Amino acid sequence: DIQMTQSPSSLSASVGDSVTITCRASQSISNYLNWYQQKPGKVPKALIYTASSLQTGVPSRFSGSGSGTDFTLTISSLQPEDFATYFCQQSYSTPLTFGGGTKVEIK
Amino acid sequence: EVHLVESGGGLVKSGGSLRLSCAASGITFTTYSLNWVRQAPGRGLEWVSSISSGSTYIYYADSVKGRFTISRDNAKNSVYLQMNSLRAEDTAVYFCAGTLGKQCTNGGCIPIRLAYYGLDVWGPGTTVTVSS
Repeated sequence: DIQMTQSPSSLSASVGDSVTITCRASQSISNYLNWYQQKPGKVPKALIYTASSLQTGVPSRFSGSGSGTDFTLTISSLQPEDFATYFCQQSYSTPLTFGGGTKVEIK
Repeated sequence: EVHLVESGGGLVKSGGSLRLSCAASGITFTTYSLNWVRQAPGRGLEWVSSISSGSTYIYYADSVKGRFTISRDNAKNSVYLQMNSLRAEDTAVYFCAGTLGKQCTNGGCIPIRLAYYGLDVWGPGTTVTVSS
């Protein structure tokens, strides 16, 4: 199974800050990497697919990059509605696996 | 508007069974692969099972293999998860999540890698609690 490791597990930031979340795969997954946002008590929302493609309707302040084993999600100017937990997920092979999540909190 | 709605969750004793259902609307159901993803209280997301658009390809997490069975009825726009021999560690919110499984044009349909476009359609979830 491919293990997905996210870092940090949590971070504190202010509105307007730029934040970067890292996701590392235990083996190369090409660009088969997706990102999700989940707010407390809510359903996960797909943000990015194939490492860097934004889902329809996702603000352009979100961006993704990477290939192989190392990936990043960047939020360029954090907005109040961006405080949430973010998960990466590989779609290279089954079992589909998620990272442990990164909680973005208000400083 | 796209909707996935799960049902069938509840409280069950260890060793018992439940059958979850997920009804879809607003999507061309026969082009979607459907998945079950669960989230234990205070924990992250765990993929459970996937079924391709035509039920040809079915996958399970090792943690549920041999105990859970996924199926779908394209005539009813529904996917199911039969859960047997339930354990306390199966306690979670179970989400139904969809991903485009094939792209169709006048020339025919091309299969798409599972979750290539991400799991982009989610239901609100149904809670399963297994008491020991």
